[in-house]
Amino acid sequence: KQEVTQIPAALSVPEGENLVLNCSFTDSAIYNLQWFRQDPGKGLTSLLLIQSSQREQTSGRLNASLDKSSGRSTLYIAASQPGDSATYLCAVRVTQGGSEKLVFGKGMKLTVNP
Amino acid sequence: KAGVTQTPRYLIKTRGQQVTLSCSPISGHRSVSWYQQTPGQGLQFLFEYFSETQRNKGNFPGRFSGRQFSNSRSEMNVSTLELGDSALYLCASSTWDSSYEQYFGPGTRLTVT
Repeated sequence: KQEVTQIPAALSVPEGENLVLNCSFTDSAIYNLQWFRQDPGKGLTSLLLIQSSQREQTSGRLNASLDKSSGRSTLYIAASQPGDSATYLCAVRVTQGGSEKLVFGKGMKLTVNP
Repeated sequence: KAGVTQTPRYLIKTRGQQVTLSCSPISGHRSVSWYQQTPGQGLQFLFEYFSETQRNKGNFPGRFSGRQFSNSRSEMNVSTLELGDSALYLCASSTWDSSYEQYFGPGTRLTVT
């Protein structure tokens, strides 16, 4: 059974720092990996999607990498800002129990202090 | 392009009642998925619909059901509500292709008393 882990569960940093968020998964048989952010009480906003055949994706100050063989992905946030404060979730699309679905990590709550 | 919309945004129900939640996908998206989010269990997959057919299913009891209409709009129904059904219910839409990138709506906050 696929399990997705995000450590640490929370992180507090001063504004301007470059950040690395970690995501690990137990089974390398994934279709893709997607990073999301969630603001309190809101839905999820898609940040980056990496297909299983890709190694990384970039969007603005965000860069996500994928290493399927080691079961790891990292989300790099450059020059963090208070507006980056949110919970960040990673999810992998897999086949489990005969169905395809997204399996989520529990998320990492990021606080960027001005 | 309008995003995924969900109605209602908030709902309070009593144990034993049933509830129906609605989701309208992004225009052109034909796949709709439903998720339950709770503090304890995190985000869990309920089911996915494409072309009015349930294509994928998570590990939830039969009290949770859904359907999709010809315009791709989807509804989720929960019968005989239990206190543990209190959660944020999220709907996501995507194109049915190799990317499967999911776009989420704002969610429906269901409280069961």
